[in-house]
Amino acid sequence: AQSVAQPEDQVNVAEGNPLTVKCTYSVSGNPYLFWYVQYPNRGLQFLLKYITGDNLVKGSYGFEAEFNKSQTSFHLKKPSALVSDSALYFCAVRVFNQAGTALIFGKGTTLSVSS
Amino acid sequence: EPEVTQTPSHQVTQMGQEVILRCVPISNHLYFYWYRQILGQKVEFLVSFYNNEISEKSEIFDDQFSVERPDGSNFTLKIRSTKLEDSAMYFCASSGRDPGYYGYTFGSGTRLTVV
Repeated sequence: AQSVAQPEDQVNVAEGNPLTVKCTYSVSGNPYLFWYVQYPNRGLQFLLKYITGDNLVKGSYGFEAEFNKSQTSFHLKKPSALVSDSALYFCAVRVFNQAGTALIFGKGTTLSVSS
Repeated sequence: EPEVTQTPSHQVTQMGQEVILRCVPISNHLYFYWYRQILGQKVEFLVSFYNNEISEKSEIFDDQFSVERPDGSNFTLKIRSTKLEDSAMYFCASSGRDPGYYGYTFGSGTRLTVV
């Protein structure tokens, strides 16, 4: 079965420091990988995705993520965190060429950036 | 930028009542989805819809749930007899010709409260 793991419920970082939000996946084929962000009382906003090609993907708001096939990971990173980055972050996966097209989400990681 | 629109943003209903959540997906998209998020928890897949029929559904999507695309623009989720545990945020999403490759777009959600 396909699954996504976000091992940390919460990540705390000081403003200006680099941040990493971890994601690992388990799929039986080649994955499409996504990061979404959810601000309080808001919907899911797309940040970035990996489909194929360069393992380092750049997305919205200065975020990037690195696809690592050997470690089955897709960690979200940002060189310098902002207080406004504080939100709930979800990693999600869909398997390429699988009959099913739904996204499978991780449980989410709350990012808290302190000033 | 095209959006997925969901109405209402918040609905309160009494236990046992029927509710219909409405979504207007992006006009040229072909795949439609409903997800739910119980407060503070992970985003869970409910159902996907393609070519005027359900293409996948999760174990959550039991006989109390149904979906419809009645007029080629709206995509609805009906809960026949609501239970307290149906209280959640419900997200609609749509995707184009190759789900995931071109991205999934989520609506801002309907918060359903069953009392």
